[in-house]
Amino acid sequence: GDSVTQMEGPVTLSEEAFLTINCTYTATGYPSLFWYVQYPGEGLQLLLKATKADDKGSNKGFEATYRKETTSFHLEKGSVQVSDSAVYFCALDRDDKIIFGKGTRLHILP
Amino acid sequence: NAGVMQNPRHLVRRRGQEARLRCSPMKGHSHVYWYRQLPEEGLKFMVYLQKENIIDESGMPKERFSAEFPKEGPSILRIQQVVRGDSAAYFCASSNGINSPLHFGNGTRLTVT
Repeated sequence: GDSVTQMEGPVTLSEEAFLTINCTYTATGYPSLFWYVQYPGEGLQLLLKATKADDKGSNKGFEATYRKETTSFHLEKGSVQVSDSAVYFCALDRDDKIIFGKGTRLHILP
Repeated sequence: NAGVMQNPRHLVRRRGQEARLRCSPMKGHSHVYWYRQLPEEGLKFMVYLQKENIIDESGMPKERFSAEFPKEGPSILRIQQVVRGDSAAYFCASSNGINSPLHFGNGTRLTVT
């Protein structure tokens, strides 16, 4: 069945470092792809999305490009901040539901 | 803030009791989803409902779990005869249609003692 695999955390970086969180997917057809973020004690929030191959989603300095050839949707940010500390979930949509990866916890040190 | 409202935020039940989790979707949304999050795991889809209809319950355990979304009032996720393994965070999300973004509530953290 369809699934999402993302790099295991936690990922610990210093402020202003470059961030990459890897995500690959397995799916039939061409699903839409998403990154959600979960801050402590809260629900998930949509961070960005891409609906077709080569689309780039971006928001709050984060970017991810839908790569059909490598079935990937890696999340990147050029300069992270302490406030980016959260859990990040890669996801795809399949029919009537969203399928999530296990999440990657990110710690940013001041 | 007319976001997705879940209550209670924390719920403690003893083994064998019933747990009722409530979710009021965002205003104007008629699609409700329930997910379960276990420690160090992602969100697992449980059920998708529209008003008065269960559309997809492929992620619901076959026994003890049920969900409803009545014409009036919140969506309810009901867990009968809870066991320790039911301890988790349960998240509700709503949308205004398939392929529309999901809006999540802050979750209900169920602890079974």
